[in-house]
Amino acid sequence: QKEVEQNSGPLSVPEGAIASLNCTYSDRGSQSFFWYRQYSGKSPELIMSIYSNGDKEDGRFTAQLNKASQYVSLLIRDSQPSDSATYLCAVPTSGTYKYIFGTGTRLKVLA
Amino acid sequence: NAGVMQNPRHLVRRRGQEARLRCSPMKGHSHVYWYRQLPEEGLKFMVYLQKENIIDESGMPKERFSAEFPKEGPSILRIQQVVRGDSAAYFCASSPFKTGGTKDTQYFGPGTRLTVL
Repeated sequence: QKEVEQNSGPLSVPEGAIASLNCTYSDRGSQSFFWYRQYSGKSPELIMSIYSNGDKEDGRFTAQLNKASQYVSLLIRDSQPSDSATYLCAVPTSGTYKYIFGTGTRLKVLA
Repeated sequence: NAGVMQNPRHLVRRRGQEARLRCSPMKGHSHVYWYRQLPEEGLKFMVYLQKENIIDESGMPKERFSAEFPKEGPSILRIQQVVRGDSAAYFCASSPFKTGGTKDTQYFGPGTRLTVL
């Protein structure tokens, strides 16, 4: 059974701080990795995708991928109260068409 | 550009009734995926469809659930004889390419929240 694991949180950070969200996955064959943000009662919204080892930056967001350690993370710089949401890590299982989602990390940014 | 559309947004059914959930993918997308999210749980894959074909239904319960994506019209997820445990948010996603390659992305619709009384 392929798995994607996240700490459920809540992760509380003060406004302006860096929030660090982590995700591990079990399928060594996975090639692409996605971070989605989900506000309560809403649908998942794509934040970032990453395919290669290393860092990928987009505005205040940085995704980090380490395939050897089977680890992907999302950093949010200058966190804002509007960033308070659940962040979902999604990993397509190699050889199939399915996204495997982690259970998500709930982030609270305190004003 | 219209995004993925789902209707209805909220659906209330009594036990034993049928629920029909509809999904129209983004323009130019021919791959549709259905996910279920139970309260306080993560998203679980149910089924992957292309036009007129079910590609992978390994995540869908064997009984009472069915899905289709006809040549014309939206994809439909059908739940017969609903039970209280079917109460959940059902999300549809679409992509231009099949998941599994690089640079593929699934875009999600607003979801249908099903409540079974």
